[in-house]
Amino acid sequence: NAGVTQTPKFQVLKTGQSMTLQCAQDMNHEYMSWYRQDPGMGLRLIHYSVGAGITDQGEVPNGYNVSRSTTEDFPLRLLSAAPSQTSVYFCASSGRGYTDTQYFGPGTRLTVL
Amino acid sequence: LAKTTQPISMDSYEGQEVNITCSHNNIATNDYITWYQQFPSQGPRFIIQGYKTKVTNEVASLFIPADRKSSTLSLPRVSLSDTAVYYCLLDGSSYKLIFGSGTRLLVRP
Repeated sequence: NAGVTQTPKFQVLKTGQSMTLQCAQDMNHEYMSWYRQDPGMGLRLIHYSVGAGITDQGEVPNGYNVSRSTTEDFPLRLLSAAPSQTSVYFCASSGRGYTDTQYFGPGTRLTVL
Repeated sequence: LAKTTQPISMDSYEGQEVNITCSHNNIATNDYITWYQQFPSQGPRFIIQGYKTKVTNEVASLFIPADRKSSTLSLPRVSLSDTAVYYCLLDGSSYKLIFGSGTRLLVRP
């Protein structure tokens, strides 16, 4: 199993540009989530999904869109990038069990100029 | 969601036992206490999870008193590779984790 994979590893955008961060998992997990981590801080939940076709907002959803058309993939879209979105983005997945733990991807480091 | 409070940083030396305490006064009945470890430039990694009393695995032990208002992560005989940030979380669902700032553990030679 590859686990949770994310692409790209690094990305530089100009203010106003849009892009999609890709996330895929091969563990057949129902739940997937996106977090962002700013320097020296903990992770903050952006959006999450409890299954294909079902998504919901986390703590900091503004400026981001998600969709979940398949169990495996959970892309995160930045609609119009802003310097405040400069961060490291982590995707995670977990099973449906009440105490199932989250498996995190390696992260995407995004810089918005 | 209930918050957790843990020390910002801790220092230790190789071979010592490290205990990191987390306070969670408003823990809910259905919350499990979960600890994650994060190395620089990597995603967090699950260490241990418990509901009450004591849990031990090959990496760490987790001590939870009867009132569940705090918990202690114990790392036996730490090495330099244990230098990382450790997060204490209350896990009432497996997909909506709320991370605090964590505890930065520095292990010195």
